[in-house]
Amino acid sequence: NAGVTQTPKFQVLKTGQSMTLQCAQDMNHNSMYWYRQDPGMGLRLIYYSASEGTTDKGEVPNGYNVSRLNKREFSLRLESAAPSQTSVYFCASSLTGPGNTIYFGEGSWLTVV
Amino acid sequence: QKEVEQDPGPLSVPEGAIVSLNCTYSNSAFQYFMWYRQYSRKGPELLMYTYSSGNKEDGRFTAQVDKSSKYISLFIRDSQPSDSATYLCAMSGNYGQNFVFGPGTRLSALP
Repeated sequence: NAGVTQTPKFQVLKTGQSMTLQCAQDMNHNSMYWYRQDPGMGLRLIYYSASEGTTDKGEVPNGYNVSRLNKREFSLRLESAAPSQTSVYFCASSLTGPGNTIYFGEGSWLTVV
Repeated sequence: QKEVEQDPGPLSVPEGAIVSLNCTYSNSAFQYFMWYRQYSRKGPELLMYTYSSGNKEDGRFTAQVDKSSKYISLFIRDSQPSDSATYLCAMSGNYGQNFVFGPGTRLSALP
């Protein structure tokens, strides 16, 4: 009953360091997403992948890169972390097409000092 | 104007109260409407899903959609302390992968 699994759950980075957030889903979904959630800003889409091999920018892609490794896995990379990237990151997945619902992981809390 | 507006709260109610949570939106292309519940330090979990206008009931929860007014509501009857969470509205259209979320309303149901 795993659903969407994210790692790590908590991470502290120094400014300029890089790291990768990992995400895997076991629901056979085609589409996967990365969001960040900040107080007063709600959920903002960073990148999404409609299918294996494709990725597209969302609302706030700057400073991030993604890789859709296979149908199950979608990773988010911060190449040179900045304090403005301190946030909670959520991976999500859905079936492709209208009328489907989106399912979220438990979140990754990232602090950049 | 934001695409989806939601009163951020916080909203405090006594146990047993009826709670009304609301969202307004501007894009008439939205067809599918969802409510998510998010507990502190957790990811959003799907609570209710409705298509187009009308009501849907599930236990103590009722989701209502009024497309003519671009207004959706979530009613919680007999609120419990376990209902204390942030509630996010979300919506999507027939054009693919675009889910749009409200900023969330933080609810505290006090015993």
